[in-house]
Amino acid sequence: QVQLVQSGAEVKQPGASVRVSCKASGYTFTSYGISWVRQAPGQGLEWMGWISAYYGSTNYAQKFQGRVTLTRDTSASTAYMELRTLTSDDTAVYYCAGERETAGSIYFQHWGQGTLVSVSS
Amino acid sequence: EIVLTQSPGTLSLSPGEGVTLSCRASQSVDSTHLAWYQQAPGQAPRLLIYGASSRATGIPDRFSGSGSVTDFTLAISRLEPEDFAVYYCQHYGNSRSTFGQGTKLEIK
Repeated sequence: QVQLVQSGAEVKQPGASVRVSCKASGYTFTSYGISWVRQAPGQGLEWMGWISAYYGSTNYAQKFQGRVTLTRDTSASTAYMELRTLTSDDTAVYYCAGERETAGSIYFQHWGQGTLVSVSS
Repeated sequence: EIVLTQSPGTLSLSPGEGVTLSCRASQSVDSTHLAWYQQAPGQAPRLLIYGASSRATGIPDRFSGSGSVTDFTLAISRLEPEDFAVYYCQHYGNSRSTFGQGTKLEIK
């Protein structure tokens, strides 16, 4: 079955960077794109960006432009999200989400388990 | 950027009741790009509806989606205890996405 398994929780100091990984299994990794979504404590879902697993092309939410980089390693079937210049506002659970397409509809069929990133001095 | 506004913010209901949740887009959207997700506490979101009205695999038929242009709804008939969660609508198009702020269903 399809699985997205993310790396473990991180604790970072303000100003640092964090990299979260998302390892895919159960399907051909390059067939679909992956988005990253975060959720601050008690808040809603916030889309951060998307990467084509096949081409490596990316789109970022304007809010994160210049501060986030999405990459992937096709040989390892793994996607990565790096967020730089962390502040306490970046404390959140970060999810990777795998796309699927049906008749022109693209949606997030599969989700990772989430990675808690805590930013504190 | 498309903004999705969900209403109401919170609903208090009893098991067995039915409910309709609303999602309004700030501009006209292609209904094929509208999805709904359910998120239970401490869990990742789960896809319920895609293309505004198509149920995802394994989703009970008490969940139904409808709507077009700017107004979309998620209906749940006969609420089960496991349905009390937060529901999000999502627009996804041109490799960009946005979520509504969510509607929380709580047990009365």
